[in-house]
Amino acid sequence: GAVVSQHPSRVICKSGTSVKIECRSLDFQATTMFWYRQFPKQSLMLMATSNEGSKATYEQGVEKDKFLINHASLTLSTLTVTSAHPEDSSFYICSASAPAFFRDGYTFGSGTRLTVV
Amino acid sequence: DQQVKQNSPSLSVQEGRISILNCDYTNSMFDYFLWYKKYPAEGPTFLISISSIKDKNEDGRFTVFLNKSAKHLSLHIVPSQPGDSAVYFCAATLNEAQKLVFGQGTRLTINP
Repeated sequence: GAVVSQHPSRVICKSGTSVKIECRSLDFQATTMFWYRQFPKQSLMLMATSNEGSKATYEQGVEKDKFLINHASLTLSTLTVTSAHPEDSSFYICSASAPAFFRDGYTFGSGTRLTVV
Repeated sequence: DQQVKQNSPSLSVQEGRISILNCDYTNSMFDYFLWYKKYPAEGPTFLISISSIKDKNEDGRFTVFLNKSAKHLSLHIVPSQPGDSAVYFCAATLNEAQKLVFGQGTRLTINP
């Protein structure tokens, strides 16, 4: 089945620094990747949709200059949280989509717990 | 505007009995619905889905029912097992390969 690898699983960084999270589709080509954010006991909120080779589409209220998304290849998308602040602390999850796998549901990475101190 | 709602934040069921998780939606244009299971600090895993042209889909112990007129879907798990204890999210999408809209999740606890 489709496998999505997300790295790192946990990261602690100092306020003002930047953090990069990687999302890789291991055994399929992901035409579209999605980035979600989950606050404790809340739903997964879509942050942005990225298509390989084009600019990401951000959801309303998400700062694109703060959350930089790059989808340079069909197997890799990255999310960079720039100038991180404590309020950016959250659980970030990526998912990957390819038409052949849609009927099995989107495949999610294992998530990244970001803590900004 | 919460387009997909799971109004029960938690549900407790005895092992062996049926678990019923509910989900309501407001956007009548949604044409595909999915259920995911999530453990803490992990990504969601796909459970079962249903197209809007159907009213029922079954896969082993899991059955999803869709009532389009009521804009309501439910996930039935029978018999419930301790390993089913997790947070369950319903999600909806407008068409293939488009973004998922998630409900708030329901924490299911199966008691021995």
